[in-house]
Amino acid sequence: EVQLVQSGAEVKKPGESLTISCQGSGYIFTTYWITWVRQKPGKGLEWMGRIDPSDSYINYSPSFQGHVTISVDKSISTAYLQWSSLKTSDTAMYYCARHFAAMPPRDWGQGTLVTVSS
Amino acid sequence: DIQMTQSPSSLSASVGDRVTITCRASQGIRNDLAWLQQKPGKAPKTLIYGASSLESGVPLKFSGSGSGTDFALTITSLQPEDSATYYCQQYSTYPHTFGGGTKVEIK
Repeated sequence: EVQLVQSGAEVKKPGESLTISCQGSGYIFTTYWITWVRQKPGKGLEWMGRIDPSDSYINYSPSFQGHVTISVDKSISTAYLQWSSLKTSDTAMYYCARHFAAMPPRDWGQGTLVTVSS
Repeated sequence: DIQMTQSPSSLSASVGDRVTITCRASQGIRNDLAWLQQKPGKAPKTLIYGASSLESGVPLKFSGSGSGTDFALTITSLQPEDSATYYCQQYSTYPHTFGGGTKVEIK
């Protein structure tokens, strides 16, 4: 069974750093790209960026470039989304999803809720 | 960025009704369009890709159409379990933008 299992909810203060994860199982991790999507409370979906685990090539949305870092460790079939300095506006649910190249998301993780508050 | 405009933003329909949601792209995206369903508190689920191809396991009551800039998602024989927010997403050009969503409620 294919699964994308995301790390648990986080509560952080503004300015703190954070890394959340998305571990794939039940498939060959390097054959599917991973996309990250943000959803602020009560709002719609926002595409953040995607990574090809086979070579770590990344496309970022201009809206997120410079504020987050996407990476993978293919040895443990895990993708990461990282912040070096959180803002209160980063409070949101973050989803990972896998997909073939040039295709939309096929399978989704359960989401990681990030709350940033002083 | 390509802007994706969905309409309506919400609708209310009765059990058994047929409903149609539209999505317009600000520039041509061929048929690189997906439809997703999201129920409250749950992760999105991809229903359709390539504008009209159903993902495995998705009921035939869902259908997609369109190409270029104008697309539609039709749900036939609406049931209570279809109550959700539906999003379109273009994957033709980075960033892969989403529409604003259409909330479907059952009367």
